[in-house]
Amino acid sequence: GEQVEQLPSILRVQEGSSASINCTYENSASNYFPWYKQEPGENPKLIIDIRSNMERKQTQGLIVLLDKKAKRFSLHITDTQPGDSAMYFCAASITSSGQKLVFGQGTILKVYL
Amino acid sequence: NSKVIQTPRYLVKGQGQKAKMRCIPEKGHPVVFWYQQNKNNEFKFLINFQNQEVLQQIDMTEKRFSAECPSNSPCSLEIQSSEAGDSALYLCASSLQVNQDTQYFGPGTRLLVL
Repeated sequence: GEQVEQLPSILRVQEGSSASINCTYENSASNYFPWYKQEPGENPKLIIDIRSNMERKQTQGLIVLLDKKAKRFSLHITDTQPGDSAMYFCAASITSSGQKLVFGQGTILKVYL
Repeated sequence: NSKVIQTPRYLVKGQGQKAKMRCIPEKGHPVVFWYQQNKNNEFKFLINFQNQEVLQQIDMTEKRFSAECPSNSPCSLEIQSSEAGDSALYLCASSLQVNQDTQYFGPGTRLLVL
């Protein structure tokens, strides 16, 4: 299978706290895992990605973890701000399938004051 | 972020009509992907190209869509006979290479089939 499961579907956090979104994938051949942020009426924008040769990547308040054994990857947003409120999508892809992205169902993140 | 250009931004068609949208990939990016995001925010891969050649496409695309990426011209995706269920955001992405490379999305074409 090629499904990607994403949880939670809705996440409410207080400003300044951290937010975590988890994804699992079925195909162990998956080798590339991007995260996209999408605001209402806009296109998805890449915020961070990780390749299968890494277990952790961090950039500007974002941390991505990859556990290949468990087929699980996660996004952690530290010190959340109201501007982080948006929909977030994880995705996975496999070279042998032409690198098409298979997306999770999305997480609505709401950061409240 | 992305330098992918998509036109038109909005498209309204009646059922049975053709619906054509275009994509100019980022300069120097030979790999192009088309995805559909429906009203439930679910993504569906439609087709991808490397230069002018189709790498992979789903059954629906093969049966109902016409897609091409000619050299020196925009890529295009055309629904031959629009259905209400085709109403969605159509996203084009490009990348430098097929293997594990970042895909940047264009602004999308929002299609409404009445």
